[in-house]
Amino acid sequence: GEDVEQSLFLSVREGDSSVINCTYTDSSSTYLYWYKQEPGAGLQLLTYIFSNMDMKQDQRLTVLLNKKDKHLSLRIADTQTGDSAIYFCAETPSSNTGKLIFGQGTTLQVKP
Amino acid sequence: EAEVAQSPRYKITEKSQAVAFWCDPISGHATLYWYRQILGQGPELLVQFQDESVVDDSQLPKDRFSAERLKGVDSTLKIQPAELGDSAMYLCASSRSGAGGELFFGEGSRLTVL
Repeated sequence: GEDVEQSLFLSVREGDSSVINCTYTDSSSTYLYWYKQEPGAGLQLLTYIFSNMDMKQDQRLTVLLNKKDKHLSLRIADTQTGDSAIYFCAETPSSNTGKLIFGQGTTLQVKP
Repeated sequence: EAEVAQSPRYKITEKSQAVAFWCDPISGHATLYWYRQILGQGPELLVQFQDESVVDDSQLPKDRFSAERLKGVDSTLKIQPAELGDSAMYLCASSRSGAGGELFFGEGSRLTVL
């Protein structure tokens, strides 16, 4: 079935790099996403990667995709206290490319 | 900047009562989604509309939940009767085409059932 797994918590110091990991099950997934959610708010798209790409970089964000292992990661360079939030990985299942299947979210805590 | 509008932001109700949530997607977005997010979990799709038609409602508890998008624009999600386990954030999202690309989320409606 369709499933997305993430580690629940990550704590880093301000200025360090953060790496949030995700595994998914649908090998035919076409798009993979990273969303950010701040307390009490909706979800904000950070970046997404098409399944024929290995890497995508966007300013401080780097997404790496390993299709063989069905592993996705998000690296945030020079992490700031404003990056503290919950980060969700999501995949689009091949059965419905308009639908997102989300992981349970990784809480990123950035210490000053 | 265009946004997905939802109301109410917060709703407290007693179990067995009826509850309704409203969503107005970004203008021109054909696809509209209702997701439920239980505290500490990721969002789960309840229903997906393409214009006024339901594309996916496989996870919608149809004995108590209903959703409509009569004119293919705004949408209402109803729960009747509400149960304690329905306490969650109800998120509406929209996208231009419904086939990959970005989903834009509203701020959500937080439901507490007492």
